[in-house]
Amino acid sequence: GQSLEQPSEVTAVEGAIVQINCTYQTSGFYGLSWYQQHDGGAPTFLSYNALDGLEETGRFSSFLSRSDSYGYLLLQELQMKDSASYFCAVLNQGGKLIFGQGTELSVKP
Amino acid sequence: GAVVSQHPSRVICKSGTSVKIECRSLDFQATTMFWYRQFPKKSLMLMATSNEGSKATYEQGVEKDKFLINHASLTLSTLTVTSAHPEDSSFYICSARGGQKAYEQYFGPGTRLTVT
Repeated sequence: GQSLEQPSEVTAVEGAIVQINCTYQTSGFYGLSWYQQHDGGAPTFLSYNALDGLEETGRFSSFLSRSDSYGYLLLQELQMKDSASYFCAVLNQGGKLIFGQGTELSVKP
Repeated sequence: GAVVSQHPSRVICKSGTSVKIECRSLDFQATTMFWYRQFPKKSLMLMATSNEGSKATYEQGVEKDKFLINHASLTLSTLTVTSAHPEDSSFYICSARGGQKAYEQYFGPGTRLTVT
């Protein structure tokens, strides 16, 4: 079977740093992606890790440890507009994305 | 670049009728398109994968006769919900992949279907 686990909710204040963890159990793992989705909108691509290590893109960074079946998304200098749902998704050998349940991030002033 | 549109954005239909949702890649050719279903505050559940010119591959538990998928061209895929029932009410999202990078999927804005 395939499963991904991530926290359902996270709350942080503007300017802070927040880390959203994701653990997975899948067959045929190729890589881990992160998507952001605002209420009622389209998921937008944030990052993709195929190899172990940290990938940095502006305020957002993503980390992967294949041996631990674990990754995280790190958001720095939080802004109110970062309030959204964040999904980790495994890319499997069939080229399909299997999504986690999503983490709702609330950024408070 | 890499824009995907969906039409309609919202649709309300009566129980027993059929509804067609279109997914278009506007500025690239999509060799593969995916259809997802999302319940409120929930994950995106993959329903099916469609490749241009061939039959769609459905995920386990998805009724292929109920959710008809056609991918007639490299820029258009359609999902038809046949004989819709209230339990089919959901947010349907498509994504398209055109490049060589398997992880590069571009998502449409979704279609909110309400069956009364």
